[in-house]
Amino acid sequence: DIQMTQSPASLSASLGETVTIECRASEDIYNGLAWYQQKPGKSPQLLIYNANSLHTGVPSRFSGSGSGTQYSLKINSLQSEDVASYFCQQYYDYPWTFGGGTKLELK
Amino acid sequence: EVQLVESGGGLVQPGRSLKLSCAASGFTFSNYYMAWVRQAPKKGLEWVATISTSGSRTYYPDSVKGRFTISRDNAKSSLYLQMNSLKSEDTATYYCARGETGRAPFDYWGQGVMVTVSS
Repeated sequence: DIQMTQSPASLSASLGETVTIECRASEDIYNGLAWYQQKPGKSPQLLIYNANSLHTGVPSRFSGSGSGTQYSLKINSLQSEDVASYFCQQYYDYPWTFGGGTKLELK
Repeated sequence: EVQLVESGGGLVQPGRSLKLSCAASGFTFSNYYMAWVRQAPKKGLEWVATISTSGSRTYYPDSVKGRFTISRDNAKSSLYLQMNSLKSEDTATYYCARGETGRAPFDYWGQGVMVTVSS
């Protein structure tokens, strides 16, 4: 199975700041990576797919990058509505696996 | 508007069975792979099952293989998850999710349904 290691587990940042969340795969996943946002009490929402493509309706302050085994999600100019947990997921090979999540809070 | 509405959750004793349903609307159901993803309380996400557009191919992780069965009824735009031999570690919120293909992310999710396995 492909292991997804996400860091940091929690993050505190100020409004307007830029934050970066990392995800490392245990083997090459050839950009088969998605990022999801989950707000408290809600279901996850797709943000980024294929490592760097923005899903429909997602604000442009979100961006994804990376290749091989290393990927990252960047949020520019942090807004209050970005307070949430973020998960990466590989869909390159079964069983599909998720990172452990990053809880983003406001400082 | 894409909508996925799960039902069928509840409290069940260990070793018993439960069947979840997901009613889909707002898109051509038969054109999409569908999946179940679960989340234990205060924990991360775990993929549970995926089914192809026709239902001829299904995929499971080892944690549920042989106990859970995913199925679909394209005429009813409905997805199902039959869960047998339930264990306490199956306690979670179960989400129905849509995938464009068998190797694609989950682009829409339902609101989730809670399953509690306890005596």
